[in-house]
Amino acid sequence: DAKTTQPNSMESNEEEPVHLPCNHSTISGTDYIHWYRQLPSQGPEYVIHGLTSNVNNRMASLAIAEDRKSSTLILHRATLRDAAVYYCILIGDDKIIFGKGTRLHILP
Amino acid sequence: DAMVIQNPRYQVTQFGKPVTLSCSQTLNHNVMYWYQQKSSQAPKLLFHYYDKDFNNEADTPDNFQSRRPNTSFCFLDIRSPGLGDTAMYLCATSRDAGTAQETQYFGPGTRLLVL
Repeated sequence: DAKTTQPNSMESNEEEPVHLPCNHSTISGTDYIHWYRQLPSQGPEYVIHGLTSNVNNRMASLAIAEDRKSSTLILHRATLRDAAVYYCILIGDDKIIFGKGTRLHILP
Repeated sequence: DAMVIQNPRYQVTQFGKPVTLSCSQTLNHNVMYWYQQKSSQAPKLLFHYYDKDFNNEADTPDNFQSRRPNTSFCFLDIRSPGLGDTAMYLCATSRDAGTAQETQYFGPGTRLLVL
């Protein structure tokens, strides 16, 4: 079964870039890679998603390895409001597979 | 501009006493999902509705049921809650389920405590 592996936690200084890794070596060809984040006491919110090519939006960038077995969520300039749990999720035909999430701490 | 609303936000129930959690949406989305999230764990999909079609995950206990009387509302019924059902229950919607690109919109969750 496909699964995603993420570090339990990471730290970053405010206003610096953050690179959050995710391994998904058993990804299927039609699975999309999604990232959501969950702030304390809230439901998850969408960050970004992609299939093969790197993606950019106003919140973040997503770098996908050429073999699709890993990806990296990039926050270009972290703020205190980015402190959250970030989930790497594989979504495909009849499946939604969450990673355990990375708790991101931002140091002022 | 609340889009996915869950009521109540906090619910305490007794062991074995049935409980119903409510979710409503103003997005007119076809798909509604229910997730269970235990403390310090990732959300776990219980089931989802694609319009009126119910789709249960294989490992969802029979104790958990759901109803969707119309597009806007979806309910999670726990027939006989056990202590292990203490968790946050998250409702989410998406426009369609036919593509893995769809964004899910989550509600704030209902925190359930079973005593």
